[in-house]
Amino acid sequence: DAGVTQSPTHLIKTRGQQVTLRCSPKSGHDTVSWYQQALGQGPQFIFQYYEEEERQRGNFPDRFSGHQFPNYSSELNVNALLLGDSALYLCASSLDAGTGLYEQYFGPGTRLTVT
Amino acid sequence: RKEVEQDPGPFNVPEGATVAFNCTYSNSASQSFFWYRQDCRKEPKLLMSVYSSGNEDGRFTAQLNRASQYISLLIRDSKLSDSATYLCVVSGGSYIPTFGRGTSLIVHP
Repeated sequence: DAGVTQSPTHLIKTRGQQVTLRCSPKSGHDTVSWYQQALGQGPQFIFQYYEEEERQRGNFPDRFSGHQFPNYSSELNVNALLLGDSALYLCASSLDAGTGLYEQYFGPGTRLTVT
Repeated sequence: RKEVEQDPGPFNVPEGATVAFNCTYSNSASQSFFWYRQDCRKEPKLLMSVYSSGNEDGRFTAQLNRASQYISLLIRDSKLSDSATYLCVVSGGSYIPTFGRGTSLIVHP
């Protein structure tokens, strides 16, 4: 049973550039959430995709956008990168139970460094 | 007040000790509660869900106190391998999960 996979594992970008991160959910899961985790902090919710639509969004600017494909995989795009975007980006998948109660499983993350 | 608060620690305990962490939340409408563990530079891994009646999984016990708005995690007979950061997650009906910053546990011989 394949777990959540993410690519790439590491990425170095320059300020102002754009980046795309990818995620494949755990087999059988239909919901994908993206998080940003700075060093020493808990993961911060960016947004969640379900049925190819952004269902909820955290407190992140429009530079952060995403997409979910029919096979439930997802992309996170960040435009106009800032130094402060350097972080571990985590993807989590879950099965939508329709009640708000769900257990999420995380991928290994993409470590983004902006110079 | 932050939405979800945890004492960052570290909690430094000997093997075999019992240790407990609390996590307070501010949104009284919160419905879902979880504990995750995160090893250094790794992804969070689901430890257990927290049910209203409390639940136990081996050496781990999770409890929810809605009146005082906190959840707790109790670890009995600590092992060296329990050393990690423990993250609580609280989610309301809006599907937005909020993580605490985590509590660091160090179990020493």
